[in-house]
Amino acid sequence: GDSVTQMEGPVTLSEEAFLTINCTYTATGYPSLFWYVQYPGEGLQLLLKATKADDKGSNKGFEATYRKETTSFHLEKGSVQVSDSAVYFCALRNAGNMLTFGGGTRLMVKP
Amino acid sequence: GAVVSQHPSRVICKSGTSVKIECRSLDFQATTMFWYRQFPKQSLMLMATSNEGSKATYEQGVEKDKFLINHASLTLSTLTVTSAHPEDSSFYICSAPKEGGRYEQYFGPGTRLTVT
Repeated sequence: GDSVTQMEGPVTLSEEAFLTINCTYTATGYPSLFWYVQYPGEGLQLLLKATKADDKGSNKGFEATYRKETTSFHLEKGSVQVSDSAVYFCALRNAGNMLTFGGGTRLMVKP
Repeated sequence: GAVVSQHPSRVICKSGTSVKIECRSLDFQATTMFWYRQFPKQSLMLMATSNEGSKATYEQGVEKDKFLINHASLTLSTLTVTSAHPEDSSFYICSAPKEGGRYEQYFGPGTRLTVT
């Protein structure tokens, strides 16, 4: 079946540091890929997405590129802020609208 | 973007009682909604798919008699935790895909259930 693997956290960075959260997937066919963010006590919010190979999703300074050859969708941001502290989930959607989530990575940004 | 609401946001109940959680799509119709459960510091676990006009589809290991799902209308799905126990304490999140064009799934803000 489909699966998503992302790096375990927590990831602790200083403000303005460069962020990478790795995500790899296993799926049949051509899934769409997503990054969701969850702030403390809240539900998930879509951060960015990519629907086909080589697409780059971007939002709020975050980027991720759909790499079919490496089955990866790594999340990056050039300069993190304290307000970026949250849990980030990589996910894929295959047939049937169901999402398969990775385990989540907690990011803590210190001032 | 589309909005999905959940009510209540937090609920505390006693063991043995039942709790109903509502999930509403506020500005679009959803023939399908998904219910997830999230344990502390863990990922989301899909519990069931709620289908308007038909029975919900439960994931393996989820007790359908304990977690009753009713998709009452195209904008409302309810999850009732029956005879709640402390181990049912969790964060429950619903989502709804917005049909038309490319399906986009929108998440509710979640409901924190604490069973004492």
